[in-house]
Amino acid sequence: EVQLLESGGGLVQPGGSLRLSCAASGFIFSNYAMTWVRQAPGKGLEWVSVIGGSGGGAYYADSVRGRFSISRDDSKNTLYLQVNSLRAEDTAAYYCVRGRLSPDYWGQGALVTVSS
Amino acid sequence: DIVMTQTPLSSPVTLGQPASISCRSSQSLVHSDGNTYLSWLQQRPGQPPRLLIYRVSNRFSGVPDRFSGSGAGTDFTLKISRVEAEDVGIYYCMQATQFPYTFGQGTKLEIK
Repeated sequence: EVQLLESGGGLVQPGGSLRLSCAASGFIFSNYAMTWVRQAPGKGLEWVSVIGGSGGGAYYADSVRGRFSISRDDSKNTLYLQVNSLRAEDTAAYYCVRGRLSPDYWGQGALVTVSS
Repeated sequence: DIVMTQTPLSSPVTLGQPASISCRSSQSLVHSDGNTYLSWLQQRPGQPPRLLIYRVSNRFSGVPDRFSGSGAGTDFTLKISRVEAEDVGIYYCMQATQFPYTFGQGTKLEIK
C-alpha cells in the first residue's frame, strides 16, 4: 500500500524557515518523480515544486522560486521541502504527491502557518 | 502560464442524477510527446485530494466507473453518471503539460 506521511509543519514567524519531510512507503521511491502541492485555508490547490526520480531536475512555481528548495534522499525514501523567507501567503497545507504528470497518491498534508 | 477555467463553480445535483463539470485551458494541453496531461481530482470535505482521472479519460485504480473523463485540446469534461452521497466535495482539473502546472478553481458538488 502506497503511503506518504508529511511532517515538519508548524507555526513560524514571517521571515522564518521550516523543513517539511515526506516519508514514502509501499513503492520503489527512487523510480518516481515527487511533487509538492499546497492549499491555503479555504482555497484551491497550487502546484509548488517537483523533483524527478533518482535525482532528476527540480522545478518551482514562480511564487516560491528562490525561497523554497525541493530535495530527496532515496536511501531514506524521503522527500523534503526547505521553505525559507516565509510570508503570510505561504500559510497552507502542504501535500506530498507521488508522480509528476499524473499525481496519483497524496499525503494527508502538513500545515504551515506563518504569523507573528 | 496555462489558465484552467472550470464551470460551473457550484453544482447542486439530485442523488441518482448525472453531473457534468467542464474544464477549459487557455492553451492546448497536447504535450510534445503526444499525450495530454489533464487530470481530475476529487477532494472530499476534510480530506486530501484524490486522483480520479488521468490523461483525460483514464480512470485511476479503485475509481468507480460512474466517473468518466473526455475531451481534447483545450476542452475537457468530467461526468458522473449517477451521483451518490459520497461524491460530495470539490472537483479540480489539473494540467501537467507545461510548467508551471496549474489547477482549475474547483467545482463544488453538493446534493440538492
